Amino acid sequence: GAVVSQHPSWVICKSGTSVKIECRSLDFQATTMFWYRQFPKQSLMLMATSNEGSKATYEQGVEKDKFLINHASLTLSTLTVTSAHPEDSSFYICSAPRGAGNTIYFGEGSWLTVV
Amino acid sequence: AQKITQTQPGMFVQEKEAVTLDCTYDTSDPSYGLFWYKQPSSGEMIFLIYQGSYDQQNATEGRYSLNFQKARKSANLVISASQLGDSAMYFCAMREGREYGNKLVFGAGTILRVKS
Repeated sequence: GAVVSQHPSWVICKSGTSVKIECRSLDFQATTMFWYRQFPKQSLMLMATSNEGSKATYEQGVEKDKFLINHASLTLSTLTVTSAHPEDSSFYICSAPRGAGNTIYFGEGSWLTVV
Repeated sequence: AQKITQTQPGMFVQEKEAVTLDCTYDTSDPSYGLFWYKQPSSGEMIFLIYQGSYDQQNATEGRYSLNFQKARKSANLVISASQLGDSAMYFCAMREGREYGNKLVFGAGTILRVKS
C-alpha cells in the first residue's frame, strides 16, 4: 500500500484562484519532504524542500510567493499554488525519505489543470 | 553538465527476457546514493532499488538488480524475466552527500515497452 499519500489526485481550477495539495507520510515521520514538478514527457524537477518547523528551501527560479509550502507536522506538508495561471498546469509530486534516507518514497502525484 | 544521464529514450524487450537500462552519473562527492524508480502512466513513482556509493555489493530486489560500476560511474538497472506490467517510464536518480539532504536529481528517463 501507499507509504506517502498525496491529495487531490486531480484538480481543475480557474485562473487566479489558489489550490492546495497535501502530502502525508502514512506510517513514518518525515522532518523533510520534497516537492517536484513534472511536465509531460519530461523528468522531475525539484521545486523546494519542505522543512518541519522552519521555512521551506526553494530551488533557483521557483517563486516562493507563488508556491507556498507549509510543513505543518511531522507527517504533513502542503503546497499551495497561489493565483494559478494556465502555465502552472502540471503534475506535482512529493517525496519523503524514510529512515536513513536510503528509501525515498513518492506520493501518487497531483495533476493540476488551470483553466 | 548533466548529473544523471540516461541515454536510451526508449527500449523494447520481449516478454520473459532480461533488459538493461543505462544510467551514468557525475559527482565529485564520495558519498552519494543512486535510485531507480518506475513511473507507469498513472504518474506515481514506484521505488525499485537503491545503491549506496560505499556499498560493496550490487543491490538486488527481486527481479531488479543494479549493475554498479563505480569507476565508470554507471548504475545500470537490470530487469530479469520482463513482464507486460513492466512497461513504464524508468528514472535513475542520485542523492549527493548528506549536506544536500535527501533531494534527488533525476535523469531524463527511459520508456520501456515489453512485447508479448
